[in-house]
Amino acid sequence: DAKTTQPPSMDCAEGRAANLPCNHSTISGNEYVYWYRQIHSQGPQYIIHGLKNNETNEMASLIITEDRKSSTLILPHATLRDTAVYYCIVTGSSNTGKLIFGQGTTLQVKP
Amino acid sequence: GEEVAQTPKHLVRGEGQKAKLYCAPIKGHSYVFWYQQVLKNEFKFLISFQNENVFDETGMPKERFSAKCLPNSPCSLEIQATKLEDSAVYFCASSQLPAGENTGELFFGEGSRLTVL
Repeated sequence: DAKTTQPPSMDCAEGRAANLPCNHSTISGNEYVYWYRQIHSQGPQYIIHGLKNNETNEMASLIITEDRKSSTLILPHATLRDTAVYYCIVTGSSNTGKLIFGQGTTLQVKP
Repeated sequence: GEEVAQTPKHLVRGEGQKAKLYCAPIKGHSYVFWYQQVLKNEFKFLISFQNENVFDETGMPKERFSAKCLPNSPCSLEIQATKLEDSAVYFCASSQLPAGENTGELFFGEGSRLTVL
């Protein structure tokens, strides 16, 4: 079973920041938080991941709370091409490396 | 190659026929994963390999489904005697390390859509 809870859908205006929340209250100490997205019916695309510290790359930022029970994915300037289903996944070596996908958040970026 | 290559993109089978899907992982990646997406937003893990060895098969249906990763060949997922409920998009992914390790990013292919009539 997925270990995360995400809102089913969100809207964001083009050019604004999109902040996608994720709850993972049962995360254990050696588990990472991964974010993937699926645009239309393409294969899922890796976005970012983190353990404890906040992370940033060319696509997004990941903010993890100090207690690690929740996180937020930030797309700083959303474009129409960012419309997708976003999946927050918690996993570690105890899962033998597999990603267990939940329902994700459908982000609709509107002009 | 630099991408996970899945073939065929589309496959149509009559109920009871065999279906076989192929996946060429990214060169140098040791781990291969198969997922089934029946409905939008619902991914089901099937099986993973570390090189040619089964790593985790906890998601594989006990009957009709089998998978292999042999040296110097694409990995394959085979469904014997397909059923209507097997209609889905099957995604393959590869990685250098299992997800959960610090560099465990999974790279997904574009999927193979199986339609069982």
